[in-house]
Amino acid sequence: AQSVTQLDSHVSVSEGTPVLLRCNYSSSYSPSLFWYVQHPNKGLQLLLKYTSAATLVKGINGFEAEFKKSETSFHLTKPSAHMSDAAEYFCVVSGGGGADGLTFGKGTHLIIQP
Amino acid sequence: EAQVTQNPRYLITVTGKKLTVTCSQNMNHEYMSWYRQDPGLGLRQIYYSMNVEVTDKGDVPEGYKVSRKEKRNFPLILESPSPNQTSLYFCASSLVGGRFEQYFGPGTRLTVT
Repeated sequence: AQSVTQLDSHVSVSEGTPVLLRCNYSSSYSPSLFWYVQHPNKGLQLLLKYTSAATLVKGINGFEAEFKKSETSFHLTKPSAHMSDAAEYFCVVSGGGGADGLTFGKGTHLIIQP
Repeated sequence: EAQVTQNPRYLITVTGKKLTVTCSQNMNHEYMSWYRQDPGLGLRQIYYSMNVEVTDKGDVPEGYKVSRKEKRNFPLILESPSPNQTSLYFCASSLVGGRFEQYFGPGTRLTVT
């Protein structure tokens, strides 16, 4: 079984300040982890993914995430927020052991204050 | 252009009237899946398919059926829709399995009255 918990339903930051979106996961196997972004009335786009290579993963638009197995976390960060980052962000886990189902977190709504 | 298409994009129907939402991808992907998105619940996987004639239940399969007779198509069937199936539905595909990047369709907004 696998699960994902996004610790904040809403995060508000000022433009130009750092962004931290928190994600904890649970998986019986070595998981693959993803962050997807959904802009208003749009589909989902992959930001970055972890698949058991480097623990610090760099993605698009300046985002990165660090896989910490001891903490079962995969937090998403960005050094400086931009107005265009305002969107819904989803942390996703895909387990191993022959099961390829995906489990999404409930999402974190990122608000950027001018 | 590589893409996942869904039809229809919007659908309003009545309880009990069978409907099908089509999904097609042109990337020769083996893995396809369906999700529903509800406010406060994120996306939940309904069914997925590892390849032709291979399908498996996701987290919320009740009330839905799927088939995978061709690699490019993965229709979602609601035999007897109910109001609690009102939702935004996304189809997605990936190269091999759940561990690969998912490419999402534009979504289908379904309302069941």
